[in-house]
Amino acid sequence: EAQVTQNPRYLITVTGKKLTVTCSQNMNHEYMSWYRQDPGLGLRQIYYSMNVEVTDKGDVPEGYKVSRKEKRNFPLILESPSPNQTSLYFCASSLRPPKGGDYGYTFGSGTRLTVV
Amino acid sequence: KQEVTQIPAALSVPEGENLVLNCSFTDSAIYNLQWFRQDPGKGLTSLLLIQSSQREQTSGRLNASLDKSSGRSTLYIAASQPGDSATYLCAVRGNDMRFGAGTRLTVKP
Repeated sequence: EAQVTQNPRYLITVTGKKLTVTCSQNMNHEYMSWYRQDPGLGLRQIYYSMNVEVTDKGDVPEGYKVSRKEKRNFPLILESPSPNQTSLYFCASSLRPPKGGDYGYTFGSGTRLTVV
Repeated sequence: KQEVTQIPAALSVPEGENLVLNCSFTDSAIYNLQWFRQDPGKGLTSLLLIQSSQREQTSGRLNASLDKSSGRSTLYIAASQPGDSATYLCAVRGNDMRFGAGTRLTVKP
């Protein structure tokens, strides 16, 4: 089944303790992206990747890191999480980047992160 | 910078009603528009994808229209059911992908 898989689904952690949220897609998509969703603010892009070893900042990149060593994986890293990073996180992928692409997005099931 | 607005923010209707959700965007230079459904605390499920060259797409009781020149899209849900209760988001694909904040729909039995 074609899908985007995120892990974990739920995570509670303490301030400052490094964590990684994994994202993997099995559709050979070039483009992958991370979003956070907060009440009243909709989805905001954190980072995106056009292809392997090509990553760039979205609208809200502060406090996050990503890497794209393989085409299928795009982990989100919080080096020192803070309470304001408590949110619902989504990974998404698309066959091609947004610009010039006629393709839709496929989303993972989400990761609910709580930082205390 | 593209801005996407969804009105209303919340909607409550009795079962069986036909309803329309609205999505507007500020930059008409788009490649496509996608409607998603999101259940509480869950991921986004794609409902319909309309290419910029298309005027509408249909899937079952759902019909989405696109008027690129006026920067508008509507999602029409026919004969609503309690199982349709969810948040509906539209996303506009231009140089990047921009999302509306969603319309939270409640269909009462």
